Amino acid sequence: NAGVTQTPKFQVLKTGQSMTLQCAQDMNHNSMYWYRQDPGMGLRLIYYSASEGTTDKGEVPNGYNVSRLNKREFSLRLESAAPSQTSVYFCASSGGDRTGFFGQGTRLTVV
Amino acid sequence: GNSVTQMEGPVTLSEEAFLTINCTYTATGYPSLFWYVQYPGEGLQLLLKATKADDKGSNKGFEATYRKETTSFHLEKGSVQVSDSAVYFCALRVTDKLIFGTGTRLQVFP
Repeated sequence: NAGVTQTPKFQVLKTGQSMTLQCAQDMNHNSMYWYRQDPGMGLRLIYYSASEGTTDKGEVPNGYNVSRLNKREFSLRLESAAPSQTSVYFCASSGGDRTGFFGQGTRLTVV
Repeated sequence: GNSVTQMEGPVTLSEEAFLTINCTYTATGYPSLFWYVQYPGEGLQLLLKATKADDKGSNKGFEATYRKETTSFHLEKGSVQVSDSAVYFCALRVTDKLIFGTGTRLQVFP
């Protein structure tokens, strides 16, 4: 059972570079989420997608874009990385019972 | 708006001690409530959940009761083990958003 798969697991970027974090789920869930986790601040919602074809801003969307490519995949793009975006990023999905399932995370460092 | 407030950690306990981690929430509508656990270097795993008032979620000796009158969902365990050391997150879902508290680190010593 793969669940939620995120790639890559680790990444180092230089300031100004761009990258896309990939997320895929195999549980046929409608809802998908991107969070960032910073020390002392818990998980903050960046963007979410309630269903294929829809995306909405969360608490901290600035500097990010997302694409819900299809029901399985939800990607997060940093167009011009900044040191403030150094964080651990988690993708999650949720189905009808509202329970969230999480990927293993992507540890991103922007230097 | 919708939000979750957890007690700050770290919570430090000896093995076999009683654990309480407080969680209160603010929500419009009728949220589902969750406790997640995160072990070092890993993602979050669902620990337990409750979907309506007065429901009790339980798993692995942990329990939490959905209290609508006090808007609370406190996590308890009667006898903690060293292996319970982790970060615990309280969360709610209302409509399509899944919202988390800041997390509480639990450290259990032998």
